[in-house]
Amino acid sequence: GQNIDQPTEMTATEGAIVQINCTYQTSGFNGLFWYQQHAGEAPTFLSYNVLDGLEEKGRFSSFLSRSKGYSYLLLKELQMKDSASYLCAVNGGNNRLAFGKGNQVVVIP
Amino acid sequence: DTGVSQDPRHKITKRGQNVTFRCDPISEHNRLYWYRQTLGQGPEFLTYFQNEAQLEKSRLLSDRFSAERPKGSFSTLEIQRTEQGDSAMYLCASSPPSVWGYTFGSGTRLTVV
Repeated sequence: GQNIDQPTEMTATEGAIVQINCTYQTSGFNGLFWYQQHAGEAPTFLSYNVLDGLEEKGRFSSFLSRSKGYSYLLLKELQMKDSASYLCAVNGGNNRLAFGKGNQVVVIP
Repeated sequence: DTGVSQDPRHKITKRGQNVTFRCDPISEHNRLYWYRQTLGQGPEFLTYFQNEAQLEKSRLLSDRFSAERPKGSFSTLEIQRTEQGDSAMYLCASSPPSVWGYTFGSGTRLTVV
């Protein structure tokens, strides 16, 4: 089975840095994905980690520790348009992704 | 190719009616997935095709739900005898053979009244 856990909501100020955590328990592992989803829209791909360590892509970075079943997404220099839900998803080795409930980030001026 | 297309974007139906949704994946993607998402939740897996073969179905996919991908291109998801609990966003996604990540369509929002 698969269990993916994320905190539900956080508020941060424009220009700040926010870290969104994800813990997972899966019987297999073939990569962890982060998606951004604005209200009423489809999820869009942000990052992918399959090996331990940090992947940096512009203002967004994602970290993975396979031994701890843990990942985080780091959002820097927050902008108002970053207000969205951030979904953690794991490929458990069965050719499909299992998603967490998502973490709602609200950016305030 | 402009991405994954879903039709319709919104559907309101009366309880007990049948509905059908369509998904057109990215043309070179041989894998196609259907997910369901309710408010405040992440997407839940429903079913998965590789080419025209339906390889996996979730327990969530009761006998009222059926999905097809007849020629390995577009797919349809049909819900028979809809219930209010079927109200959700139905998301389609596709990926190439390497499954590096999905590309999602914009979804079909179903409201059963």
